[in-house]
Amino acid sequence: NAGVTQTPKFQVLKTGQSMTLQCAQDMNHNSMYWYRQDPGMGLRLIYYSASEGTTDKGEVPNGYNVSRLNKREFSLRLESAAPSQTSVYFCASSAAYGPTGANVLTFGAGSRLTVL
Amino acid sequence: QKEVEQNSGPLSVPEGAIASLNCTYSDRGSQSFFWYRQYSGKSPELIMSIYSNGDKEDGRFTAQLNKASQYVSLLIRDSQPSDSATYLCAPMNTGFQKLVFGTGTRLLVSP
Repeated sequence: NAGVTQTPKFQVLKTGQSMTLQCAQDMNHNSMYWYRQDPGMGLRLIYYSASEGTTDKGEVPNGYNVSRLNKREFSLRLESAAPSQTSVYFCASSAAYGPTGANVLTFGAGSRLTVL
Repeated sequence: QKEVEQNSGPLSVPEGAIASLNCTYSDRGSQSFFWYRQYSGKSPELIMSIYSNGDKEDGRFTAQLNKASQYVSLLIRDSQPSDSATYLCAPMNTGFQKLVFGTGTRLLVSP
């Protein structure tokens, strides 16, 4: 019953450091997403992967890269962390992609990142 | 204009009352609409989806959609303290085929 698993749950970085947030789902979902959530800004889409082998930019992709390693795993990399990237990051997955009833997101527990 | 507008709240209601949460959206092409609930410090979880104009009921929850007015709402009947959370409205943006989330309305239900 794992669902969507994110690691790490907490991370503190210094400006300029790099790190990768890992995400894995065990629901055989085709689509995966990375969101960030900031106070007063709501959830904003960083990158998404409609299906294995494809990735696309979302609303706020600058400063991030992603890799859809296989159907289960979708990682988010910060190459040179900046204080503006301090946020809570959520990975999510859905069975399908697009305006269908199957596009219901299941979220991971979140990763709280602080960049000093 | 924001793509999705929600009153940030908090909306305070007494236990047993009806809580009414409202959401307006700007993309007239939106066809699918979702309500997610997010407890403090937790991740969002889906509670309702609606695709057609009118009402959709699921237990104590009723979603209402009016595409002509670009308005979607969520009613919670017999509100319970456990309903205290932030409720996120998320229309499916058919132009880009991805969910756009509102900033959410914080609901507080007092015993």
